[in-house]
Amino acid sequence: EDKVVQSPLSLVVHEGDTVTLNCSYEVTNFRSLLWYKQEKKAPTFLFMLTSSGIEKKSGRLSSILDKKELFSILNITATQTGDSAIYLCAVEVGNEKLTFGTGTRLTIIP
Amino acid sequence: NAGVTQTPKFQVLKTGQSMTLQCAQDMNHNSMYWYRQDPGMGLRLIYYSASEGTTDKGEVPNGYNVSRLNKREFSLRLESAAPSQTSVYFCASSLMALTGELFFGEGSRLTVL
Repeated sequence: EDKVVQSPLSLVVHEGDTVTLNCSYEVTNFRSLLWYKQEKKAPTFLFMLTSSGIEKKSGRLSSILDKKELFSILNITATQTGDSAIYLCAVEVGNEKLTFGTGTRLTIIP
Repeated sequence: NAGVTQTPKFQVLKTGQSMTLQCAQDMNHNSMYWYRQDPGMGLRLIYYSASEGTTDKGEVPNGYNVSRLNKREFSLRLESAAPSQTSVYFCASSLMALTGELFFGEGSRLTVL
């Protein structure tokens, strides 16, 4: 059974801190790993990673994939209150299936 | 710029009642999906439609039926609602079947008493 595990489940930090969110997976026929941000309603896309060791970056957010050790990390530097959200990791496998982790709830304290 | 639109946003049902969640996308996407989100469980795929005219079961299809009415619309039906179906339901679409970015609707919160 395909499995995606995110850690920590929740995290509370102060504004300006740097955070690292983790996503590990055990799946058959891996195709890609995706990160989403979910604030109050719909998840919104952040990154898609398909190759090991290539960092994807968007402003203060960055992510990298390690296909040998089967994990990805999402880094957020200089956090702001607007970064408070649930961050979801999902893995796409070859049989047209996207398996989501349970998410990490990030809270930024002003 | 509507994207993915779901209705209704909120619904309360009694056990045994039926209802249909509607979803429409205006991005000319081929693939559409229904997920449910429960605390501590993440997003779980109920059904998906890789292209117009096809539907397939996801991870948790029991108790649900779907219809891909046309390329734009994908509905989810609960024939006889149960309390275990209390959840937040998300419709999503993508250009191709589960390739890359999914675009989500804003969710429908369903409570079954």
